Amino acid sequence: QKEVEQNSGPLSVPEGAIASLNCTYSDRVSQSFFWYRQYSGKSPELIMSIYSNGDKEDGRFTAQLNKASQYVSLLIRDSQPSDSATYLCAVMSSNDYKLSFGAGTTVTVRA
Amino acid sequence: GAVVSQHPSRVICKSGTSVKIECRSLDFQATTMFWYRQFPKQSLMLMATSNEGSKATYEQGVEKDKFLINHASLTLSTLTVTSAHPEDSSFYICSASRTSGRFTGELFFGEGSRLTVL
Repeated sequence: QKEVEQNSGPLSVPEGAIASLNCTYSDRVSQSFFWYRQYSGKSPELIMSIYSNGDKEDGRFTAQLNKASQYVSLLIRDSQPSDSATYLCAVMSSNDYKLSFGAGTTVTVRA
Repeated sequence: GAVVSQHPSRVICKSGTSVKIECRSLDFQATTMFWYRQFPKQSLMLMATSNEGSKATYEQGVEKDKFLINHASLTLSTLTVTSAHPEDSSFYICSASRTSGRFTGELFFGEGSRLTVL
């Protein structure tokens, strides 16, 4: 599978702060990018998808994509304790339509 | 959002026995379902792609005779772990995409099944 790299964390932020998560990928033909949130012992849930360069905002979440740098990030504004989870970066290539996941970044929001 | 249901959520079995895990799409038809395995603090690893009405496509290193996949209808795929051993203990997660339209990569995940082999 293609390589998707994330800082494992843990990333600890105070409540109300911005959490910044980074992800790099190795496959240059990757076309679709996703952020999934996974609570401990649970399965992942999709929170953001991004397909073109630039920023995409959805509520408190902003995804940023830079295909030239093979880099995708997720910002969580006004972090809440309920945001404490592992965030998985996933990348899909247009060659085989398979998703490759990073190992995830664990975020802890301190109340 | 779409709902994918997985059963059982937790199973404990003896070494050498077989375990079947079911994955159902409840409110949409899924031509393709994916089976992942996740070990503690590791990423999701794709095991196989399950295609309705045809044989599953297995990823490199995944034994097709050990992990039997059946996708008999547009709403149900099953994974059977045959002759399970302690090293097969893991979190197994299925996912599905909607049938209609080009696959965008947006997957809906089941709740996962935690298998413990004694």
